Amino acid sequence: AQTVTQSQPEMSVQEAETVTLSCTYDTSESNYYLFWYKQPPSRQMILVIRQEAYKQQNATENRFSVNFQKAAKSFSLKISDSQLGDTAMYFCAQAGGGSNYKLTFGKGTLLTVNP
Amino acid sequence: DADVTQTPRNRITKTGKRIMLECSQTKGHDRMYWYRQDPGLGLRLIYYSFDVKDINKGEISDGYSVSRQAQAKFSLSLESAIPNQTALYFCATSATTGTGEETQYFGPGTRLLVL
Repeated sequence: AQTVTQSQPEMSVQEAETVTLSCTYDTSESNYYLFWYKQPPSRQMILVIRQEAYKQQNATENRFSVNFQKAAKSFSLKISDSQLGDTAMYFCAQAGGGSNYKLTFGKGTLLTVNP
Repeated sequence: DADVTQTPRNRITKTGKRIMLECSQTKGHDRMYWYRQDPGLGLRLIYYSFDVKDINKGEISDGYSVSRQAQAKFSLSLESAIPNQTALYFCATSATTGTGEETQYFGPGTRLLVL
């Protein structure tokens, strides 16, 4: 069974600063994918960044980057130069590959960016 | 125009009523999913379909049924709604490709209240 744990229910950061959201996961799959989704107050689920487990290089998307530690089963999200529009619930998710491709979500971290 | 649409966006119904939530996509994806989101619990998988003839139960399928009318349409039914089915429901799609592009894309969500 797959599990995803986000240990920080809420976090806050000042505008322009950097913040890191934590995520750990557990899976018996050798081929899997990891994701961070953002859910702003509009409730839309928006993909922030994805990582293939077979890739050693950490994924980056503009101000968003991950620290993928495969042996530790850790997948943290770093947001640089935080902006007010980054205020949202952030969900970490994991999916197996191929026929077992189903997303398992963590419970989320509510991030507030303060002016 | 949105690639994944859900109707209705909001619905209030009474205990015991049958209701249907509909999902349509123009992304050309073969895989479709229904999730439920409850406060503090993240998203949980209800049903998923990898093609028109392939439908599978997810983590919390009891009390729900689905229909894959076409590659682009996937409906979720509550045969006899009960108050603890009050939640935010999401449809998602993903594509099966040789490159492993397995990202799921979400619809805007349907907020359901069962009285």
